Amino acid sequence: NAGVMQNPRHLVRRRGQEARLRCSPMKGHSHVYWYRQLPEEGLKFMVYLQKENIIDESGMPKERFSAEFPKEGPSILRIQQVVRGDSAAYFCASSLNPSGTQETQYFGPGTRLLVL
Amino acid sequence: AQRVTQPEKLLSVFKGAPVELKCNYSYSGSPELFWYVQYSRQRLQLLLRHISRESIKGFTADLNKGETSFHLKKPFAQEEDSAMYYCALAWTSYGKLTFGQGTILTVHP
Repeated sequence: NAGVMQNPRHLVRRRGQEARLRCSPMKGHSHVYWYRQLPEEGLKFMVYLQKENIIDESGMPKERFSAEFPKEGPSILRIQQVVRGDSAAYFCASSLNPSGTQETQYFGPGTRLLVL
Repeated sequence: AQRVTQPEKLLSVFKGAPVELKCNYSYSGSPELFWYVQYSRQRLQLLLRHISRESIKGFTADLNKGETSFHLKKPFAQEEDSAMYYCALAWTSYGKLTFGQGTILTVHP
């Protein structure tokens, strides 16, 4: 099992451009979480998705950010009209069946977004 | 609101010395607590969870509800323990995690 895959690993955008971050969960996992790590801070929850459903997006900024997890293909975190404050590491995690709080989340290597 | 605090950003010890990474939490319900570790150039991975009461790589962590703490301990640190350590709290039925700020542990030879 290749583990959680994220691409690109590094992404440079200019202010106003769009950023698309992709996450392929571990084989058999249908639950995806996105976390953001700003410089000098810990990881902060953004959104939790199941296939074709957003379950909890309480950590997503209200504007410019969106996420999806289609029936086929990877989960995508999309940031429109990026600003310098969006520069961060974005981590994706997947789990098999989070029926309880003890289900392990497996993390991807992260995407480092730099906005110039 | 739930919160996880790791008061030490950096922690340095010598090989063979005991090490304790501190973690305090704030949560009104029954907490589920974890320690995650990130070694250099590797991805974040689960080290241990409190409900398992296990010892992984010589590390243990005991949940102290009275002090709202979940400190990570190892009696004899090894150089390969050098890494970033995150304490995390899960507080929903689907395991949404709240992380502390992380502690960078450096074990000197």
